[in-house]
Amino acid sequence: GAGVSQSPSNKVTEKGKDVELRCDPISGHTALYWYRQSLGQGLEFLIYFQGNSAPDKSGLPSDRFSAERTGGSVSTLTIQRTQQEDSAVYLCASSLTGTSSTDTQYFGPGTRLTVL
Amino acid sequence: GDSVTQMEGPVTLSEEAFLTINCTYTATGYPSLFWYVQYPGEGLQLLLKATKADDKGSNKGFEATYRKETTSFHLEKGSVQVSDSAVYFCALSERTGANSKLTFGKGITLSVRP
Repeated sequence: GAGVSQSPSNKVTEKGKDVELRCDPISGHTALYWYRQSLGQGLEFLIYFQGNSAPDKSGLPSDRFSAERTGGSVSTLTIQRTQQEDSAVYLCASSLTGTSSTDTQYFGPGTRLTVL
Repeated sequence: GDSVTQMEGPVTLSEEAFLTINCTYTATGYPSLFWYVQYPGEGLQLLLKATKADDKGSNKGFEATYRKETTSFHLEKGSVQVSDSAVYFCALSERTGANSKLTFGKGITLSVRP
């Protein structure tokens, strides 16, 4: 079946603009995660959605970052007033339940964001 | 909090050499342990995992054993190939509340020369 898909694959924006990144998880997976991969910080957790529960936003670096998940499927990560330090690869992952640490997370190809 | 420490890289080996990539972790409970691999130009993919102490994960000739006594999950392969050139990430997952997020090590770049 289809894996996790993300769009766009690349995004170049100017400092101060807003951007939206999209993630389409594997069908039937109830858990969805956003991570960020940057040279300085490595791979960091951003936010987690599980079913209809309130999301865990504990990894979001600032209030300029927000995310939503509509209908328990597609998710959008929004970064407002982008800064150069937001430049990174944004990765989305999904897993079957998210309620067990044994679940495997399957990653999308990522969106490379460049803020000029 | 949870953390994962990987040996410093990069690592360069000749084809058919033996590979060990060290990984140690800190966790409060009983995490699951993972190795993910990122081939050039591709996304992260699961290489292997182990979910409890003394379990051995294996895939594509790679192995790693969950050692609770030494809090380690070292990755090994007996004979590397050029196609194994990639970035390798050790990670753990420990359920905190309702979240089983992954905590990653910094990754290590492996280059295998013919």
